[in-house]
Formats: sequence, structure tokens, C-alpha cells
Amino acid sequence: AQSVTQLGSHVSVSEGALVLLRCNYSSSVPPYLFWYVQYPNQGLQLLLKYTSAATLVKGINGFEAEFKKSETSFHLTKPSAHMSDAAEYFCAVSTNTGNQFYFGTGTSLTVIP
Amino acid sequence: DGGITQSPKYLFRKEGQNVTLSCEQNLNHDAMYWYRQDPGQGLRLIYYSQIVNDFQKGDIAEGYSVSREKKESFPLTVTSAQKNPTAFYLCASSKRQPNTEAFFGQGTRLTVV
Repeated sequence: AQSVTQLGSHVSVSEGALVLLRCNYSSSVPPYLFWYVQYPNQGLQLLLKYTSAATLVKGINGFEAEFKKSETSFHLTKPSAHMSDAAEYFCAVSTNTGNQFYFGTGTSLTVIP
Repeated sequence: DGGITQSPKYLFRKEGQNVTLSCEQNLNHDAMYWYRQDPGQGLRLIYYSQIVNDFQKGDIAEGYSVSREKKESFPLTVTSAQKNPTAFYLCASSKRQPNTEAFFGQGTRLTVV
């Protein structure tokens, strides 16, 4: 079975500080991993995805994530937080055994001016 | 522009009434999904469909029904059997390939009074 765990349901950072949102996956086969962002009362927008081409993945809005197989992690980072980064972030996993996506419970990011 | 359209954005219904949420996509995707989102619980899969005229139950299918008569459309009916229908509902679609992301609509917020 596939699943992802997001550590920390709420994260607060100061504007300009490093953003680190944690995601660990559980998969019996090589996973495909995704990070999505959701603004209030909107759908999810893809930030980036890992598909085994490279372990460090760059996404939109300055976000990036590193796939670490030894740690079964896919943490999301951004060097300098901006007020517009305040949103809900979801980690998700899918595998080639079925076209399903499994989402974490989300991390709400607050950016303090 | 290609995308997924959910309608309506907000929906109010009386308890005991069935209600149908619309989801239309023009991305030519074979797979479509319905998720329910509640605070702190992430996205939970209700139903998914990999191809026209076929669909499978997700993790929380009880009290819901779907149809997939056309590739572009995947409507969700919330029946009176659903005990707690008030939630934010998200429709998504994807290609039937293992390394592809899901695209989301803007969601429908259903409130049952």
C-alpha cells in the first residue's frame, strides 16, 4: 500500500526565512511523488513532481524538493519565504501499479511579516 | 484553455435531498477522480474512473454515486444516505500513465442545512 505522511500540520516562518515542509512516503515500489499547493476555497495546483529523472526537483514559485530513498523522504523547501506562499501544501504519491493518488493530510504554512 | 470545470462553486441543500455535483474536463484525460476534503483530513478518495462506462469505489464511497457516460464528464451525486455531506469536493483528472500528475478543478463547497 502507498501512503504519505506530512509531519507538522501547521508551520510558521518569518518572511524571508527558509521554508521546510516534510513528507515521508511509504511504498513497496518506486514511487512517483508530488507536491501541490492549495489557496483558500480553491483547487490544488501542482508545485513539482518527482519521476526518477533527478533526485532534486525544481518547481514553480522558487520551491524545490529532494528525493531521498534512504530516508523515504521528499521534503519541500524554499530558501526565502514570501507572504504569497501562505497556503496549504499537500504531498502525494502514486505508483505504476495503479492510477491512484494518495495524499497526505496537508501542512498549513503561515508567513509572518 | 484546457482544464477542469466544477459547478457550482457553492451549493446549499436541505437535509435528505440528493444533490449532483458537476465535473467536466477538456484535457482528453481518461482517468477522473472525486475527492472529499475536510479540515485536517487531507483529501479522501470517493470514486475514480479509468475509462468511460467504468468506475471504482474509493475509500469513502458510501452515500455517493457516480456515472461516466462520456469521457469529459464525471458527475457525483451526494445521496441522502451520506450522513455528513457538508464538505469541500474536488474533482481531478489525469492521463492513464504512471508518471503523470492529477489536474484539479476549483472545487464545490456543499453545505447541507
